Amino acid sequence: GESVGLHLPTLSVQEGDNSIINCAYSNSASDYFIWYKQESGKGPQFIIDIRSNMDKRQGQRVTVLLNKTVKHLSLQIAATQPGDSAVYFCAETPSRGYNKLIFGAGTRLAVHP
Amino acid sequence: EPEVTQTPSHQVTQMGQEVILRCVPISNHLYFYWYRQILGQKVEFLVSFYNNEISEKSEIFDDQFSVERPDGSNFTLKIRSTKLEDSAMYFCASTVVSGKLFFGSGTQLSVL
Repeated sequence: GESVGLHLPTLSVQEGDNSIINCAYSNSASDYFIWYKQESGKGPQFIIDIRSNMDKRQGQRVTVLLNKTVKHLSLQIAATQPGDSAVYFCAETPSRGYNKLIFGAGTRLAVHP
Repeated sequence: EPEVTQTPSHQVTQMGQEVILRCVPISNHLYFYWYRQILGQKVEFLVSFYNNEISEKSEIFDDQFSVERPDGSNFTLKIRSTKLEDSAMYFCASTVVSGKLFFGSGTQLSVL
């Protein structure tokens, strides 16, 4: 998703449904990607990462998919729970130097009972 | 589980004053970072620090900003003369191998 000023795109889902959050990254040379979850008033928390030599990686209830052809990353959350409500950021690291992560704009996930 | 700790959680200051934000990275980590987040916006890179020197900095990190690792445990961000637009949440992060960063809970800086 793209952010517009102070307004984050919001994904609203019912509890128990699967969620898919999308991210378009900018640098075709990036070779490491991370999804972070940020709850209100807290710092970003690591969820899952993937290297550019992979196109899919699974964790507990989460899956990250990487499509390098179109520079697209997605985060799938299975059986979404109220505790999953947060802002989700994708981040990329340029292949030349692992000195920093570059964050995307963020998507707010709202889980309704 | 070890975590990055930041103090204070909130800092209010007058424009033109100096502030120092403090961080204690995870003890065996080697790479240290400062990021900031203006309310409702994305997390922006400020500076990375490795082997007692800055390894990379963004255009935001101008001459008013400096970082220091004064001892084996603390990592500080100093803003020499704060401006209104410096108001943001400042996050410290660390990692043992660069890539997967662990973030602190942040310091909310309000410049009046």
